[in-house]
Amino acid sequence: KAGVTQTPRYLIKTRGQQVTLSCSPISGHRSVSWYQQTPGQGLQFLFEYFSETQRNKGNFPGRFSGRQFSNSRSEMNVSTLELGDSALYLCASRWATNEKLFFGSGTQLSVL
Amino acid sequence: GENVEQHPSTLSVQEGDSAVIKCTYSDSASNYFPWYKQELGKGSQLIIDIRSNVGEKKDQRIAVTLNKTAKHFSLHITETQPEDSAVYFCAATDRMYSGGGADGLTFGKGTHLIIQP
Repeated sequence: KAGVTQTPRYLIKTRGQQVTLSCSPISGHRSVSWYQQTPGQGLQFLFEYFSETQRNKGNFPGRFSGRQFSNSRSEMNVSTLELGDSALYLCASRWATNEKLFFGSGTQLSVL
Repeated sequence: GENVEQHPSTLSVQEGDSAVIKCTYSDSASNYFPWYKQELGKGSQLIIDIRSNVGEKKDQRIAVTLNKTAKHFSLHITETQPEDSAVYFCAATDRMYSGGGADGLTFGKGTHLIIQP
């Protein structure tokens, strides 16, 4: 069974640009969560989608948004990038919202 | 909301020795505590977890203990090996059993475990 797949692995953008990250969950998993990981803050929850609906959202500005498609694949978008958005963005999937999380390898975003 | 503190941030042990990583949490309603291992270039893997109705859980060389009264839980790795070198994250949530309304897990900031040969 394939794991959680995130694309691209690396991204370099400049301030003010926008970026879209993609996550394909494990087959059969309907829930997708997104996390931001930085050395200073550790892993912070962005949002979780379940069956195309956002179920919960962390404490991030509105520049961070996401969506989930009918095949459970999810995208995360960050608009008007800031230097502080440089981080590893991790996606995790699970079959249901009360089951264990399985993480992807992440997308390393660098904002210059 | 929940707050999880993790210590130490870096831990260096000799191969074959034991390693212990500790986490404390603030929300007494938290009922599920997973541990994740993150290796360079790989996703974070769930290595062990514990639910609030259990005090200790073991899986080969790895064990987790939970003290609900003190609100802390610990990861114990015995007979450490080079492949144990990684960053370990603890996490907590009170929503494991809610069946819906999915709050994300609250994570500690990670411990970089270094196994010295």
